Amino acid sequence: QSALTQPASVSGSPGQSITISCTGSSSDVGGYNHVSWYQQHPGKAPKLMIYDVSNRPSGVSNRFSGSKSGNTASLTISGLQAEDESDYYCSSYTSSSTLVFGGGTKLTVL
Amino acid sequence: EVQLVESGGDLVQPGGSLRLSCAASGFTFSSYWMHWVRQAPGKGLVWVSRINSDGSSTSYADSVKGRFTISRDNAKNTLYLQMNSLRAEDTAVYYCARDLSGGAGDYWGQGTLVTVSS
Repeated sequence: QSALTQPASVSGSPGQSITISCTGSSSDVGGYNHVSWYQQHPGKAPKLMIYDVSNRPSGVSNRFSGSKSGNTASLTISGLQAEDESDYYCSSYTSSSTLVFGGGTKLTVL
Repeated sequence: EVQLVESGGDLVQPGGSLRLSCAASGFTFSSYWMHWVRQAPGKGLVWVSRINSDGSSTSYADSVKGRFTISRDNAKNTLYLQMNSLRAEDTAVYYCARDLSGGAGDYWGQGTLVTVSS
């Protein structure tokens, strides 16, 4: 159950687009369309932003989008806003019927 | 309104036990799989365990297998996590989460802090 691999940090200026990658294996990300993305502000519970690779829950801005290619999933945030500055985590269902999270990515809006 | 409220976190000595609860309201609890996820201070999210809707199937992270037990009481709309043989590395905020689809947690509680220390 090794954690999925995410970049430790990414940054972008307001209005730009950024992409956060999440790399796993054929036993998790590559094998199932059950990849989720969460936003977590300091001291708060995680908020679901994307589920099943590319679906947005009700109420989540359409500036957030998800995709997957092979063993790597990606979260793209377009039209970056100051309020997007946060920690982001990916997660995936695994072949062991468990879940695994990525190590998290800190997004800085410059 | 969907609400998940965790309780039971405390300071406990290594080797001790603790039971966490997660009270659910605002939805049909018995229809949803549920998860426990933890986060050590300053660290990332780590999945701990999940249980299916009727409690007949469970799964655990290797780090807690054999020490933690997840269960639920659908009549009381409550999820539990029994934690035994606690270690310092179990120190974390523990969240319960409702499973929307394929492990995606669409509602989370506010978390309860477990501190394992002598």
